[in-house]
Amino acid sequence: EPEVTQTPSHQVTQMGQEVILRCVPISNHLYFYWYRQILGQKVEFLVSFYNNEISEKSEIFDDQFSVERPDGSNFTLKIRSTKLEDSAMYFCASYGTSGSKAYEQYFGPGTRLTVT
Amino acid sequence: DQQVKQNSPSLSVQEGRISILNCDYTNSMFDYFLWYKKYPAEGPTFLISISSIKDKNEDGRFTVFLNKSAKHLSLHIVPSQPGDSAVYFCAASEGTSYGKLTFGQGTILTVHP
Repeated sequence: EPEVTQTPSHQVTQMGQEVILRCVPISNHLYFYWYRQILGQKVEFLVSFYNNEISEKSEIFDDQFSVERPDGSNFTLKIRSTKLEDSAMYFCASYGTSGSKAYEQYFGPGTRLTVT
Repeated sequence: DQQVKQNSPSLSVQEGRISILNCDYTNSMFDYFLWYKKYPAEGPTFLISISSIKDKNEDGRFTVFLNKSAKHLSLHIVPSQPGDSAVYFCAASEGTSYGKLTFGQGTILTVHP
C-alpha cells in the first residue's frame, strides 16, 4: 500500500538555525499539507499546497516558514530561524486525485523537531 | 480555538463491548467529518468519514453518527478489540477550504482483554 514518508524521524537543532523537513507524498496525490502537534496539544494545520502554490495557511505559518515541491516528488517545510516554541512533531499529509475532494488525507509518520 | 472538541480525554472498555467516542463542533461551515486513529510514534491513520448530508456511515466494526442540529458526532466500535487501543481524533473540514482539517484534542481508548 502506498504511504507518505518523512525524513528525518528526529531533528535536533539550536535556536536560530534553519531546518528543512522532508516528505515524499503518495505519488498521484495532488494536495499536500503540513500539520504540527506540540506535545500534549492538538494537531494543528499549518499550510496546504496545491498546483505548485500555497492554497491556504494558518496564523502559525508566518514568514519564518516556507514550503516547496522542488522536483515533483518531495515536499519540504523550511523553518528559517527556529525558536524554542517550534519544538513539535511535524506531520506531512497528502490527498487527492483529480476530481476528488481533499478531505481524507494520508499522514506520514512525522518528524520530531527539538529546538534547544 | 475550540471549534472541534473531544471532551473525554480517555475511555476504557472491555474487549467485545462497544466503544463510543464523542466529538462536538461549533463551526456551522464544517461539512465533512473524519475520524483518525493514532498509535505512538506514528502519524494519524484515516479510519472513517461522513459527509454533512448523511447521518450515519458504517464500515465494518466502525460506525460514525452525525447529529447536525446538535453539532455532535460519535464513533462506535463494535466489538472492541485490544488492537483498537490508540488515540482517536475527530477532525472536520469546510467545503470552501482546500481540505484544511481542524482536529479535536483526541481520546485515548484502552480496550482490555
